[in-house]
Amino acid sequence: EAEVAQSPRYKITEKSQAVAFWCDPISGHATLYWYRQILGQGPELLVQFQDESVVDDSQLPKDRFSAERLKGVDSTLKIQPAELGDSAMYLCASSLTNQYEQYFGPGTRLTVT
Amino acid sequence: AQSVTQLDSHVSVSEGTPVLLRCNYSSSYSPSLFWYVQHPNKGLQLLLKYTSAATLVKGINGFEAEFKKSETSFHLTKPSAHMSDAAEYFCVVWPNSGGYQKVTFGTGTKLQVIP
Repeated sequence: EAEVAQSPRYKITEKSQAVAFWCDPISGHATLYWYRQILGQGPELLVQFQDESVVDDSQLPKDRFSAERLKGVDSTLKIQPAELGDSAMYLCASSLTNQYEQYFGPGTRLTVT
Repeated sequence: AQSVTQLDSHVSVSEGTPVLLRCNYSSSYSPSLFWYVQHPNKGLQLLLKYTSAATLVKGINGFEAEFKKSETSFHLTKPSAHMSDAAEYFCVVWPNSGGYQKVTFGTGTKLQVIP
């Protein structure tokens, strides 16, 4: 069964350092989502791509976060510099175009010290 | 504007007894509704979905949910809880508003199953 891949699974970094997360969606899924999930809360959408274009990044803290999906396949989410409040689970999901059923990866657990 | 409210942050049941996780939504449109489950340190897995077909929806692992438009509810049920059901459950709404669709997640309900 096809799955969304994410790496790394766990990341510990010091504040002010740069960190990057990678996501490889299910083959053929043109829509890709990055979510942040703070412990005890529901996922919050950070950015949504349709192919290589950003559809929604209204909740992305653009002073420190960036996301790209250069060839419309895999994607990278970067934080620079990391802050203590960025500690969270970062989830990637993908879906077919105009389909609401999302498939989630296992997530990256970020701890900022 | 849309919103989704999961009425209980924690639910505790004994193994073998019924499960009820409550979800109410608010939407200006006829939404599509989903339930996802998340086990500790894992991603979210789709349990079931409502997309304007039958109002009683059956999902995986014996779960089902009923869409009640008059009550704006989409409660998740299971007749008999199993230990492996212990996880966090999220109710999700898509507005079906046309154009760009923005998803809204509930805050989650943590299900504890007592042996």
